[in-house]
Amino acid sequence: AQTVTQSQPEMSVQEAETVTLSCTYDTSESDYYLFWYKQPPSRQMILVIRQEAYKQQNATENRFSVNFQKAAKSFSLKISDSQLGDAAMYFCAYKVGNEKLTFGTGTRLTIIP
Amino acid sequence: EPEVTQTPSHQVTQMGQEVILRCVPISNHLYFYWYRQILGQKVEFLVSFYNNEISEKSEIFDDQFSVERPDGSNFTLKIRSTKLEDSAMYFCASRSGSRGLGETQYFGPGTRLLVL
Repeated sequence: AQTVTQSQPEMSVQEAETVTLSCTYDTSESDYYLFWYKQPPSRQMILVIRQEAYKQQNATENRFSVNFQKAAKSFSLKISDSQLGDAAMYFCAYKVGNEKLTFGTGTRLTIIP
Repeated sequence: EPEVTQTPSHQVTQMGQEVILRCVPISNHLYFYWYRQILGQKVEFLVSFYNNEISEKSEIFDDQFSVERPDGSNFTLKIRSTKLEDSAMYFCASRSGSRGLGETQYFGPGTRLLVL
């Protein structure tokens, strides 16, 4: 069974600084998708960024970028120029084919003004 | 921008009662999902639905649960006889199914269910 591990239950970062959230996963598949979702206090799940495993280039969305290391099964999220609105729970998720999303346990990110 | 909508946003019910949670997926999407999140825990998969039938379900999705797409727009989750442990946030999600961007699941805002 696929598993997703987020080893940092909580992280904090000074406003305008950079923070990296870690995620590792376990799979025997070669073609899959990885996602980071943000869950603010409203508890809505908001897509932050996605990565296709067949693409070697790391995905980037404005201030958000990933470091995808396929051999190491690692998928970290880097947030640059952190803003107060980035404070949320961040969930890493994995999907293969038409199957369900498998989520990690989440990292609570606090932004220090 | 199209989005997934869910109603109600909050539902309080007595143990043993039936509840129906409603979702309107994004209009051109073909794959539909229900997930739940017990407070303070991770998001768990319940069921996926495609071509008018269940394509996958988890161990959580027992005989108390059912899903339906009664018309071309709504996607419902029914819990027949609620238990205290069903208290959770329930998320609906949908995706288009096309290769690439269509692999992304978009979530609704959730329904917070409280069973007393």
